[in-house]
This record gives sequence, structure tokens and C-alpha cells, in this order.
Amino acid sequence: GESVGLHLPTLSVQEGDNSIINCAYSNSASDYFIWYKQESGKGPQFIIDIRSNMDKRQGQRVTVLLNKTVKHLSLQIAATQPGDSAVYFCAEGYGNNRLAFGKGNQVVVIP
Amino acid sequence: GAVVSQHPSWVICKSGTSVKIECRSLDFQATTMFWYRQFPKQSLMLMATSNEGSKATYEQGVEKDKFLINHASLTLSTLTVTSAHPEDSSFYICSYTGTGLVQETQYFGPGTRLLVL
Repeated sequence: GESVGLHLPTLSVQEGDNSIINCAYSNSASDYFIWYKQESGKGPQFIIDIRSNMDKRQGQRVTVLLNKTVKHLSLQIAATQPGDSAVYFCAEGYGNNRLAFGKGNQVVVIP
Repeated sequence: GAVVSQHPSWVICKSGTSVKIECRSLDFQATTMFWYRQFPKQSLMLMATSNEGSKATYEQGVEKDKFLINHASLTLSTLTVTSAHPEDSSFYICSYTGTGLVQETQYFGPGTRLLVL
């Protein structure tokens, strides 16, 4: 469904520090989750995905953690850089390969 | 990764006119495509899903006669906003899943900003 609200939760992080972005999902039957990064005026960019048979997956400077018990997903970004400033969305898969997107978290990297 | 393009990147039109947005997959065969709408500071809202050569499946609350979707080939899909009104002003984004890719992973186009005056 459509998100409501004009203010995104914002995480301000010092350059070089680690960032953690959290997401709660709704459907306990979901078996596929993705994190996307969206820069201003652009389309979402795939970061990393994870299936429900895993609880952790690592990429380049990013780690996704999945806690199915509490339906919680997190994205960790190591050594945050100015180019990481963006809005981050989690998404869960549901029928017919569709994705339901979360509300988004704004990350602001302070040089 | 999969490359998706959209054209135009932005468009301004008068109320009552129709606007067509093109979405192309540049380096893979797109079996399923999705159209989303995004209002400022909000998340992506799925409008419709379509498979090549088939009619689109619209999400609840999305008017199929207003948002015409054509998925005529494995590399091209179009969204036509008919009789556009100011409330249709939004950021429209397409995405694809395709052959040889992880089934559920969607790759997004750069988006089209529509402003209806």
C-alpha cells in the first residue's frame, strides 16, 4: 500500500562510521527481501537481497540481517561514505514476483 | 547488472492531455515488468504488473482505463497516462525481472517526472 507521511526517518552518520538501517516487514510468509538505495531524482538501485532460509548475507561493505522471529530486517553499511547519502528502502516479495516497499530511511553522511 | 532506460526523463503537460512513458530493458529479455508511482517523500506504490504479450494486472485502486500499459515486446513497455490531471503529477518508475536473473529481483529504470499543469 501507499506510505503516509511527509517526513522520512533520517539517520545522520559521520563519514567513516558504520550505518545501520532498520526495517519491519508485515508478512511472516514472505521468503524474499531486498534493500534498495534511491538517490534524489533517480530510480531505486539494487543493493543486496536475502532469502528467508538465511539470517545474514554480506556484500561489498554491506550486510543484511534477517530476524524472522520478530519480522525485522536491517542493512549495515561499513565505513559510510558521502556517496552513501540516499534514501534506503527495504522490500519484501509477495505473489507473482511483486515487491512491497517499506517507507524508506534517509541517510545523511556528514563529511 | 540489468540496465533499464526510461523516456522521457521528465515531462510537463496541460491538464486533459495524454502522456506516454517508455521503458526499455537494454541488455536482457524482460519477462515481467512493473510500473510504480512515487510521490515526494513517500515510498514506491505498485500500479500494475504485466508479462510480455499479456494484459496488465492492475493493483487495487489503480484505474486501468486511465493508466494504459502496453508490453508488446521483451524489451519495451509503455505507460500512457490518459487525460492527465494535476493529481497525476508524480514520479513514475518502471522495473523488470528477466530471463537469467534472480526471479524476484526487480531492476529499476531512472524514472520519469510528470508535472500536469
